[in-house]
Amino acid sequence: AQKVTQAQTEISVVEKEDVTLDCVYETRDTTYYLFWYKQPPSGELVFLIRRNSFDEQNEISGRYSWNFQKSTSSFNFTITASQVVDSAVYFCALGGATNKLIFGTGTLLAVQP
Amino acid sequence: GAVVSQHPSRVICKSGTSVKIECRSLDFQATTMFWYRQFPKKSLMLMATSNEGSKATYEQGVEKDKFLINHASLTLSTLTVTSAHPEDSSFYICSARDQRANYGYTFGSGTRLTVV
Repeated sequence: AQKVTQAQTEISVVEKEDVTLDCVYETRDTTYYLFWYKQPPSGELVFLIRRNSFDEQNEISGRYSWNFQKSTSSFNFTITASQVVDSAVYFCALGGATNKLIFGTGTLLAVQP
Repeated sequence: GAVVSQHPSRVICKSGTSVKIECRSLDFQATTMFWYRQFPKKSLMLMATSNEGSKATYEQGVEKDKFLINHASLTLSTLTVTSAHPEDSSFYICSARDQRANYGYTFGSGTRLTVV
């Protein structure tokens, strides 16, 4: 069975601090996909990044960076120099052979001014 | 990019009535759509997979007769909450996969259902 664990339920940081959101996944699929989504208070899901299981290259996009480690089944997300607008719930999600996208429990990030 | 339109964004209905939520893929064909439910401060729970031209596949614990799903065309899936009760109040979100976007998932903006 597929499972996504986000152990951090809430994180509070002060603006300009760096913050890392953890994600650990479980799957028996050999090919799978990992995602990060942001959900602001409006409720709409904002796509941040997708990684395929065969692509472990880590990526930096502006203030965002991702660390995909198959050896530890982790797909962590880092925001550098956090801003108040980054405040939201962040979800890690896993997709595989069944086409279903399974979400973690989410991490509520609060960035204080 | 791919766009999924979901309507209505908010709906308030009386207990015992039925509510229909629409999910449309605007610029691509979606043979498969997904319906999620989200309780306040909780994760998105997959309710069912909607398959064009065939019956939906429901996740364990989801009442098929309560949550009717119809996927009559390649661009439209509907979720009908039948005989709604206050406990059905929730945030419902649909999703579709776009083959053109390397099978990425596109989400609707969600529907906040309140049953009074």
